Amino acid sequence: LAKTTQPISMDSYEGQEVNITCSHNNIATNDYITWYQQFPSQGPRFIIQGYKTKVTNEVASLFIPADRKSSTLSLPRVSLSDTAVYYCLVGPFTGGGNKLTFGTGTQLKVEL
Amino acid sequence: GAGVSQSPSNKVTEKGKDVELRCDPISGHTALYWYRQSLGQGLEFLIYFQGNSAPDKSGLPSDRFSAERTGGSVSTLTIQRTQQEDSAVYLCASSLNRALGETQYFGPGTRLLVL
Repeated sequence: LAKTTQPISMDSYEGQEVNITCSHNNIATNDYITWYQQFPSQGPRFIIQGYKTKVTNEVASLFIPADRKSSTLSLPRVSLSDTAVYYCLVGPFTGGGNKLTFGTGTQLKVEL
Repeated sequence: GAGVSQSPSNKVTEKGKDVELRCDPISGHTALYWYRQSLGQGLEFLIYFQGNSAPDKSGLPSDRFSAERTGGSVSTLTIQRTQQEDSAVYLCASSLNRALGETQYFGPGTRLLVL
């Protein structure tokens, strides 16, 4: 299984860019990397997904180096509402669900 | 459209009792997942259903845990003879199918407290 490691917490201020890195040293060839956001008392919500290089959508960017042993979620100009737990998920899109491995999550706190 | 729903939202039970947790996935989604999230912890995979295939039960922590999915839609997670360590939030997610790039849509979870 592709074990993932993330920082436990990060603090930032409104308007700043936040980068959260997830380490997944034993990622497999057919594994994708997905990031989810979770607010208190809610289920996780999809943010972004990628396989390699860079992916960008309307809310975030995902940077994946060539060796794919880590990935970085980049949140531009965060606001108070971005305060949440961010999870990195590594796993294939065929095969058993047990191959899906969520990280322990990073608690992001955004202040004024 | 409606998202993933779970019921009950909260459940308090006594040690040794059985509990049933229900998940209604998004209509048309063939894949369904159950996860457990203990207080302050990450998500622990429990079980996965894909269409009519036999479920992947590899994440179930003990034989007290079981799940079924009737008609390829609604799923029930059953915990028999509950223990205090079963206290957690149980999250259900569904995806269109278990194929490339499928996003999982999560329900709000059922908060289980075993006294």
